[in-house]
Amino acid sequence: DSGVTQTPKHLITATGQRVTLRCSPRSGDLSVYWYQQSLDQGLQFLIQYYNGEERAKGNILERFSAQQFPDLHSELNLSSLELGDSALYFCASSVVGTLNEKLFFGSGTQLSVL
Amino acid sequence: GENVEQHPSTLSVQEGDSAVIKCTYSDSASNYFPWYKQELGKGPQLIIDIRSNVGEKKDQRIAVTLNKTAKHFSLHITETQPEDSAVYFCAASIWGSQGNLIFGKGTKLSVKP
Repeated sequence: DSGVTQTPKHLITATGQRVTLRCSPRSGDLSVYWYQQSLDQGLQFLIQYYNGEERAKGNILERFSAQQFPDLHSELNLSSLELGDSALYFCASSVVGTLNEKLFFGSGTQLSVL
Repeated sequence: GENVEQHPSTLSVQEGDSAVIKCTYSDSASNYFPWYKQELGKGPQLIIDIRSNVGEKKDQRIAVTLNKTAKHFSLHITETQPEDSAVYFCAASIWGSQGNLIFGKGTKLSVKP
């Protein structure tokens, strides 16, 4: 168990809908990362937060947004969902989010858009 | 940007044999190279990592080697066991990007008893 908690484990929704994925980092970790895993694209970095502030942005669509709250948990919001958004979404955390830091991943949220 | 290529995509070995997975990266400024193991239904788990100031690192049956000149690094698993069966991902850090990782596409390792 990595100590990173993600909910829900599975999410089934329809095109055009909006969903929220939740992540609680390991105790003491200040930085949270979101990754998308699909069969064709592999693990793609979406966005990183450190202590409530956005620190880095990767291949995140404009329809997606995230935030990190004062208690350090993070939420990833996906809107106007399309079939192609179906994927595994992972959250990871690290202590301070600096370069070369070890990342610890949660078990993921499997999103199915029908 | 950084690009990480990983080979092979699938690897099947007999229990007790060694397994080698290779990755190449494009950004010569990258200096952190972790390896993750992902079992079915679980998230990636860090199994070993290496920094650019080190050429080799071992942890029991697992070792990683790094060739900065050639920009490639490899994962070596000796005396493989059925529980080593999983998907393995290599990754590289993007210089100056605050810890973000670029992952290879993964290698599905099957260890046959």
